[in-house]
Amino acid sequence: AQSVTQLDSHVSVSEGTPVLLRCNYSSSYSPSLFWYVQHPNKGLQLLLKYTSAATLVKGINGFEAEFKKSETSFHLTKPSAHMSDAAEYFCVVRGNTGGFKTIFGAGTRLFVKA
Amino acid sequence: DAMVIQNPRYQVTQFGKPVTLSCSQTLNHNVMYWYQQKSSQAPKLLFHYYDKDFNNEADTPDNFQSRRPNTSFCFLDIRSPGLGDAAMYLCATSRGLAEGRGETQYFGPGTRLLVL
Repeated sequence: AQSVTQLDSHVSVSEGTPVLLRCNYSSSYSPSLFWYVQHPNKGLQLLLKYTSAATLVKGINGFEAEFKKSETSFHLTKPSAHMSDAAEYFCVVRGNTGGFKTIFGAGTRLFVKA
Repeated sequence: DAMVIQNPRYQVTQFGKPVTLSCSQTLNHNVMYWYQQKSSQAPKLLFHYYDKDFNNEADTPDNFQSRRPNTSFCFLDIRSPGLGDAAMYLCATSRGLAEGRGETQYFGPGTRLLVL
């Protein structure tokens, strides 16, 4: 069985400080992992994805994530937050289970203070 | 350029009155998905089409139907909307279902449905 847990429902940072959004997954198979961002009343935009290549994945807008198999984690980071980063972030796992399955995390809302 | 287009962006309907939401794509992808996202929740998959093959999630209510007349278009029909069906409806596409190779889903901007 597959699952994904976003450890924080809300994260608040000050502009210019680092961002850390935590995601842990469970999968019987080698999963593909994604981070999506959703701004209010908008669709989901892909930030980055891991597909069993390099464990450190760089995405758009300065975001990156590191796949750590030993910790079953795929945390999203950014060195310096910008006001425009305030949004909802979803960690998603898709597994090669022989059937179709996409699992969304519950989401983490990021607040950025001026 | 928009790749996954959803119209309208906002839809108001009356309790019990059938409503159709539309999605189109310019990516020529084989797979199209419909998700329901209620306030402050993660998107929930309703069903998907792989080409013309329809795949319904086990817990999707019968009230929700879908049509895909061609590669580019996919429709979500709600036969008798209830108050609990008010939500954002997201359409997404992917080239295939190659889970292990990390098929990316591309999302449209969503249609927000209000049921009066």
